[in-house]
Amino acid sequence: SAVISQKPSRDICQRGTSLTIQCQVDSQVTMMFWYRQQPGQSLTLIATANQGSEATYESGFVIDKFPISRPNLTFSTLTVSNMSPEDSSIYLCSVETAGVKRYNEQFFGPGTRLTVL
Amino acid sequence: EDKVVQSPLSLVVHEGDTVTLNCSYEVTNFRSLLWYKQEKKAPTFLFMLTSSGIEKKSGRLSSILDKKELFSILNITATQTGDSAVYLCAVVTKGGKLIFGQGTELSVKP
Repeated sequence: SAVISQKPSRDICQRGTSLTIQCQVDSQVTMMFWYRQQPGQSLTLIATANQGSEATYESGFVIDKFPISRPNLTFSTLTVSNMSPEDSSIYLCSVETAGVKRYNEQFFGPGTRLTVL
Repeated sequence: EDKVVQSPLSLVVHEGDTVTLNCSYEVTNFRSLLWYKQEKKAPTFLFMLTSSGIEKKSGRLSSILDKKELFSILNITATQTGDSAVYLCAVVTKGGKLIFGQGTELSVKP
């Protein structure tokens, strides 16, 4: 399995500010994703981070609010812009491991717990 | 609309009990079904199921998929307090996108 790290692990931010979350993988992976888990809820996909091109966003999520970068096959960032208390969540990156298998497993980073005051 | 439904939503058992967690799904472009255990923040991977009727087993945990009836179960035998967690079921669809169920919160009492 891939070893995934995220920074920061947690943060407390003021409304109206922005926070950039980093996701680093110890090996090259084909697919990287960003998820959000609001308090008491399950995980919801924000977007697929595409290497070298714009991210693919799910319904309800837009680039202006959640800009994503993926400059190479091991690193991605998610920015939460102009934050409000409703953005308080755990943000997780996940990766799908590359390989010869037709079906690849997905692993999650340790998550970033964001609280917006 | 794609959806994944887990039941029960919460469960309280005593150590040594056996539990069965359920996951049903309705999705287009099914690729595989994944089970995760979530204790604090990050879900930890348990199983990936792609074929019907083939049981995956790891210690006291086992899981099986029925692609005809569109469901999966996760069994935990001889439960321990360390099994207390939220168990998440997710279906992998086209493009690697995961659609999660609501999760089952399992509490194992001593």
